[in-house]
Amino acid sequence: GQNIDQPTEMTATEGAIVQINCTYQTSGFNGLFWYQQHAGEAPTFLSYNVLDGLEEKGRFSSFLSRSKGYSYLLLKELQMKDSASYLCAVRDSNYQLIWGAGTKLIIKP
Amino acid sequence: DAMVIQNPRYQVTQFGKPVTLSCSQTLNHNVMYWYQQKSSQAPKLLFHYYDKDFNNEADTPDNFQSRRPNTSFCFLDIRSPGLGDAAMYLCATVQGGVSGANVLTFGAGSRLTVL
Repeated sequence: GQNIDQPTEMTATEGAIVQINCTYQTSGFNGLFWYQQHAGEAPTFLSYNVLDGLEEKGRFSSFLSRSKGYSYLLLKELQMKDSASYLCAVRDSNYQLIWGAGTKLIIKP
Repeated sequence: DAMVIQNPRYQVTQFGKPVTLSCSQTLNHNVMYWYQQKSSQAPKLLFHYYDKDFNNEADTPDNFQSRRPNTSFCFLDIRSPGLGDAAMYLCATVQGGVSGANVLTFGAGSRLTVL
């Protein structure tokens, strides 16, 4: 079966750095996505990785290792508005998105 | 400026009373998805349209139906809602057939409560 694993919840302090990990086992691989979802709202796109390495976009960076079936999302200079769930999703060989359950990130002052 | 619009945002219905949720898009994307998402869970794909071709997920209950009368609109019909159908329903669109990121654009969601 296909599976995406993420920690259920993480807590971090305002101004700090946090890394959210995602491991996957899927039928093929055609890219990995990170989405942010605030409570009661729709997911919004953060990043896309299809090749190994680090993609940086402002305070957010995403890393991919295809051989390890592993990705992480790195959030720097955390702000209170970063409190949200972060969803990892992998596009499989049929170009279908397989979603993780999300990691709820709690930011404390 | 919303590009994927879902209505209603909040829907309360009684057990067994049919419900229709709507989704419209101004992006002219050819692929539209309906997802069900329960609290702290991954979005679950119910079905999607690739142009006019309807694709039903194998585990989507018969209670859930969909219509796409044109490119811009898609409807989700829940014929006899049960308590287990209470969830957020998300519509998303993408322009399929193009290589690259093909990022989904989501609507704000419709939260269904079943009494």
